[in-house]
Amino acid sequence: DTAVSQTPKYLVTQMGNDKSIKCEQNLGHDTMYWYKQDSKKFLKIMFSYNNKELIINETVPNRFSPKSPDKAHLNLHINSLELGDSAVYFCASSQNTVKGNEQFFGPGTRLTVL
Amino acid sequence: AQSVSQHNHHVILSEAASLELGCNYSYGGTVNLFWYVQYPGQHLQLLLKYFSGDPLVKGIKGFEAEFIKSKFSFNLRKPSVQWSDTAEYFCAVNAGYGNKLVFGAGTILRVKS
Repeated sequence: DTAVSQTPKYLVTQMGNDKSIKCEQNLGHDTMYWYKQDSKKFLKIMFSYNNKELIINETVPNRFSPKSPDKAHLNLHINSLELGDSAVYFCASSQNTVKGNEQFFGPGTRLTVL
Repeated sequence: AQSVSQHNHHVILSEAASLELGCNYSYGGTVNLFWYVQYPGQHLQLLLKYFSGDPLVKGIKGFEAEFIKSKFSFNLRKPSVQWSDTAEYFCAVNAGYGNKLVFGAGTILRVKS
């Protein structure tokens, strides 16, 4: 059973397009996250949702809009894609927002913007 | 802002060699520390974590890490590596609001059989 799944695994698109990445967890967690891993392999948090409410929003361009239709899903929509958006995007979940709770990661979505 | 430094980006070892991967963090308050591993083609998985108490933490697959508060360090060790330990290893600190993790840049370990 896949605990945290993401679709698609690979996404290649042109600059200026709008695209979405989906994330689902079947662990019963109520907190989900999006991280971006850039070309230098740094993993940086972008957003976190708890019970469908946004609780962490790092300095991310407003072209990025997360949406959480329910506790088990956290999707990431990106408008007007730019070359610099090329990265691997990881979704994660944890039981709650208590500091130190283990985060379970998805397999990542490799986004390439041409 | 919190940051995490991992000293070695690439490490190549022969099987049975001992491993130590360095990790230093910058944060003055109470921290939780983690090591995650990503095997080729797989998800990030938790190896071990430190919250409080004994600064020597044991994790899965024979890994351990030592928290040295005075040095702001949390180095990962394994006495004898195996070919199957080939992976990328990420150190992370959990500090401040919520359950946000701040990661280091990762260390790619290649174990030669």
